[in-house]
Amino acid sequence: EAQVTQNPRYLITVTGKKLTVTCSQNMNHEYMSWYRQDPGLGLRQIYYSMNVEVTDKGDVPEGYKVSRKEKRNFPLILESPSPNQTSLYFCASSLSGYGTDTQYFGPGTRLTVL
Amino acid sequence: AQSVTQLGSHVSVSEGALVLLRCNYSSSVPPYLFWYVQYPNQGLQLLLKYTTGATLVKGINGFEAEFKKSETSFHLTKPSAHMSDAAEYFCAVSEGYGGSQGNLIFGKGTKLSVKP
Repeated sequence: EAQVTQNPRYLITVTGKKLTVTCSQNMNHEYMSWYRQDPGLGLRQIYYSMNVEVTDKGDVPEGYKVSRKEKRNFPLILESPSPNQTSLYFCASSLSGYGTDTQYFGPGTRLTVL
Repeated sequence: AQSVTQLGSHVSVSEGALVLLRCNYSSSVPPYLFWYVQYPNQGLQLLLKYTTGATLVKGINGFEAEFKKSETSFHLTKPSAHMSDAAEYFCAVSEGYGGSQGNLIFGKGTKLSVKP
């Protein structure tokens, strides 16, 4: 089944404890992206990647890191999480990142930083 | 730069009534427009999209949207609401044009409630 998977689905952590949220797609997509969703703000893009080893900042990149060493994986790293990073996170992928492409979303990771 | 405005953060309709969710966009190039739906505790799923051609676009679950360039709108409609339509709906415009790559810009979302 074609899908985007994220792990973990739920995570509670404490300020300053490094964490990684994994994202994997099995559709051979070139484009991958991370969003955060907050009430009343919709989805805001954190980072995106047009291809392996090519990443770029989205609208809200502060406090986050990403890497794209393999085509299928795009992990999101929080080196020193803070409470304002408590949010619902979505990974997405599309075939090429072209304007007409459909983005496919993972199920989300709900992160709470205490 | 592209942007999206969704009018109404909450919309409530009765089962069987018309659903109308409003979306206006701003774009310096001919836009590519999308509607996504998010059911509770799930990721986003594509409902429909407009790229080129026919301005009335039909999607899944009986939804459709009409691209109106003169009004810079892409409103989502469904003739008869069903309880299962209760969800949050996001309108989005793509930054990419023609053969270029680009990111999606999302509106803030409209939560649809359906009353029995």
